[in-house]
Amino acid sequence: DTEVTQTPKHLVMGMTNKKSLKCEQHMGHRAMYWYKQKAKKPPELMFVYSYEKLSINESVPSRFSPECPNSSLLNLHLHALQPEDSALYLCASSHVRLAPSYEQYFGPGTRLTVT
Amino acid sequence: GQSLEQPSEVTAVEGAIVQINCTYQTSGFYGLSWYQQHDGGAPTFLSYNGLDGLEETGRFSSFLSRSDSYGYLLLQELQMKDSASYFCAVRDTGGFKTIFGAGTRLFVKA
Repeated sequence: DTEVTQTPKHLVMGMTNKKSLKCEQHMGHRAMYWYKQKAKKPPELMFVYSYEKLSINESVPSRFSPECPNSSLLNLHLHALQPEDSALYLCASSHVRLAPSYEQYFGPGTRLTVT
Repeated sequence: GQSLEQPSEVTAVEGAIVQINCTYQTSGFYGLSWYQQHDGGAPTFLSYNGLDGLEETGRFSSFLSRSDSYGYLLLQELQMKDSASYFCAVRDTGGFKTIFGAGTRLFVKA
């Protein structure tokens, strides 16, 4: 199984809502990532978890709250978002150490629209 | 810091060969990766170069010259389905943070 799944595929939420994005992988990867991607732009790293511990937070606003409940699951909790947060949110996973490549497997993403 | 430069767009005809270049500036270097992303889809890993030279995977090849801080992705026997965005990417010295180039949009014409 080389698949990363994400739910939901699409999400429309108001600025006062609370919602969560979910990501799951069963490849035994111990590094998991959240990226944000705007149209015609590259993915921008938001968070990295390594062995279920937060390793990197790229100065993301606190209205985005990540959670890694176990080695297969990654959540992104959303609260009080702004319209400019509308984007494609991608989850990815990889081995922590993998030679010779550092291949990341991406999920299909959640298309988020904040109204 | 890290930065990567690649052309914004490339157009080629079906059956042709196209090369997408990537130059980078990094404080540390753990190799150059390439990802493909179709419109509405997820990035998909294509190749990785950790050492100088050419890596070949089917119709795709990737090259790296560390002394020139330069790499390229070569796509042969272009097919319409190769129309997509292609990103070069590097890892930082910590190993987890991946920096993507701005992407090259490839248009394949019949």
